[in-house]
Amino acid sequence: GAGVSQTPSNKVTEKGKYVELRCDPISGHTALYWYRQSLGQGPEFLIYFQGTGAADDSGLPNDRFFAVRPEGSVSTLKIQRTERGDSAVYLCASSSGAGAADTQYFGPGTRLTVL
Amino acid sequence: TQLLEQSPQFLSIQEGENLTVYCNSSSVFSSLQWYRQEPGEGPVLLVTVVTGGEVKKLKRLTFQFGDARKDSSLHITAAQPGDTGLYLCAGAVPGGKLIFGQGTELSVKP
Repeated sequence: GAGVSQTPSNKVTEKGKYVELRCDPISGHTALYWYRQSLGQGPEFLIYFQGTGAADDSGLPNDRFFAVRPEGSVSTLKIQRTERGDSAVYLCASSSGAGAADTQYFGPGTRLTVL
Repeated sequence: TQLLEQSPQFLSIQEGENLTVYCNSSSVFSSLQWYRQEPGEGPVLLVTVVTGGEVKKLKRLTFQFGDARKDSSLHITAAQPGDTGLYLCAGAVPGGKLIFGQGTELSVKP
């Protein structure tokens, strides 16, 4: 079956611009996570959705970052007024539950470069 | 703040050698997971350990969860070039979010 997909795979933008990154989770998965991975680092948690609602957005670095999941499936991560420090790989993961032992399946990520 | 310290950060060995990667924290986690990540791809789960003291084996890979559920190790026996990649440990906290270590970049030379 289809895994988690993310689009675009690469995004190059200029400082100050707005970007949207899309995540299509595995069909039927209720939990969806966004992580950010900087070069040479492990992924860093951003936000977690259970269904349509953001259950935990404690990892969003500031109010320029926002994410939605209006129908409980596809999610969009939105970054306003991008800064060079936002350059990273943005990973999305989905799972069938939010328990500690539930497997998170990761997408290939979107590489964002802010010039 | 819960942190996971992973070591070593880089490891370059010859084919056939053994190696161990460590993952340590001062915090207790509900479970600890090990992932492997290839360039341009997302992390892929290798194993989840849940019970303190648990040991799991996956072919030449042995995973151990500390008794206090604060630390874990990954041991690879007779490493092969196909084992090359980024290995990540991650602790699960209530709500399911993962706290990742910095990763270990493993290179196995033929």
